[in-house]
Amino acid sequence: GAGVSQTPSNKVTEKGKYVELRCDPISGHTALYWYRQSLGQGPEFLIYFQGTGAADDSGLPNDRFFAVRPEGSVSTLKIQRTERGDSAVYLCASSALAGGGTGELFFGEGSRLTVL
Amino acid sequence: AQSVTQLGSHVSVSEGALVLLRCNYSSSVPPYLFWYVQYPNQGLQLLLKYTSAATLVKGINGFEAEFKKSETSFHLTKPSAHMSDAAEYFCAVSLRRTGGFKTIFGAGTRLFVKA
Repeated sequence: GAGVSQTPSNKVTEKGKYVELRCDPISGHTALYWYRQSLGQGPEFLIYFQGTGAADDSGLPNDRFFAVRPEGSVSTLKIQRTERGDSAVYLCASSALAGGGTGELFFGEGSRLTVL
Repeated sequence: AQSVTQLGSHVSVSEGALVLLRCNYSSSVPPYLFWYVQYPNQGLQLLLKYTSAATLVKGINGFEAEFKKSETSFHLTKPSAHMSDAAEYFCAVSLRRTGGFKTIFGAGTRLFVKA
């Protein structure tokens, strides 16, 4: 597609449940990023992929969070045993990393996760 | 380590007045700097970027920002605010890492424009 697509746009779940959030980046973009944005805060870095591998996962808050990008395109952010504190908007962004790349990010509209 | 500080979580200006949103960064190497804007119920979009060329950078919708290395600042300005500028603005710093860039965002400044 023309832009970054994220699904679902809204997800309401109960504490303790498992959640998957999907991101489809801009075609041809090799880098993919996940951020978390809580109310009134800036995007908080979680993880980024270059191709299929996680280049930096230092922002994942704990081992309940995991992300994959098996074919170097679509990525899934997985959250196990959700907690109320996981409620936030999860943002995905992609970036072209050709030789002249500058790290400009193209964002999706986010997946709003609410944990009851 | 890189970091970004945006001074003022909320800024309110009158329509037609100067807009000034402040951003200071910390980086051990020359960074790439960005301003992103988030309109209500929309995703973040790039407003402008500094990538080590001209220090005064012009972006969309009449915004511009000046990179000042000595002050480690990248403040965003617009000479005359319009009602449609009401949004949240995020300053970001990006450093090249092995395998790509790592981009860190400030906490954001919400701009209110009064009629």
